[in-house]
Amino acid sequence: AQSVSQHNHHVILSEAASLELGCNYSYGGTVNLFWYVQYPGQHLQLLLKYFSGDPLVKGIKGFEAEFIKSKFSFNLRKPSVQWSDTAEYFCAVRDNQGGKLIFGQGTELSVKP
Amino acid sequence: EAGVTQSPTHLIKTRGQQATLRCSPISGHTSVYWYQQALGLGLQFLLWYDEGEERNRGNFPPRFSGRQFPNYSSELNVNALELEDSALYLCASSLGRSGNTIYFGEGSWLTVV
Repeated sequence: AQSVSQHNHHVILSEAASLELGCNYSYGGTVNLFWYVQYPGQHLQLLLKYFSGDPLVKGIKGFEAEFIKSKFSFNLRKPSVQWSDTAEYFCAVRDNQGGKLIFGQGTELSVKP
Repeated sequence: EAGVTQSPTHLIKTRGQQATLRCSPISGHTSVYWYQQALGLGLQFLLWYDEGEERNRGNFPPRFSGRQFPNYSSELNVNALELEDSALYLCASSLGRSGNTIYFGEGSWLTVV
């Protein structure tokens, strides 16, 4: 069965610090990978996605993620975080044939001004 | 273009009652997904409907059920409510079954007292 593991439950950073959130998945086949963000009081929004091609994916708001197939990883990065990046971040995997998303436990990011 | 819309925004029910939550997918989307986001439990997959059929079901008891209508909107029904059912219920939609991004609504808060 598919599963997703996010390494950090809560990350606290100061503004301008660099961010890397870990995500590993367990699935033997070809997958689609996603990062979603949930700002306080708002709904889940798509940050970025990987279906195929260039394993370095750029998303909105300066975020990027790298798919490393050999490590079953899809880590999220941002060179310099802002206070407005405070949110919960979810990594998700989906069988490339479609169907449901399987989510990681989420990582709460708090950015101190 | 309207996103995924859910109603009601908030719902308070008494233990043992039934709750019905509604979802309208993005226009043109045929797949609808339901997730439960309970405090401390992350996003748990409930149900997936596509073209009016139930395609997949998460690890929830049978008192969680739903359906998809010919216009692709969907209902989630929860019978015999328990206190632990208190959560944010998220609906999502995608264009077809395979390889497409899943977009989320703002959710319906269900409180069971």
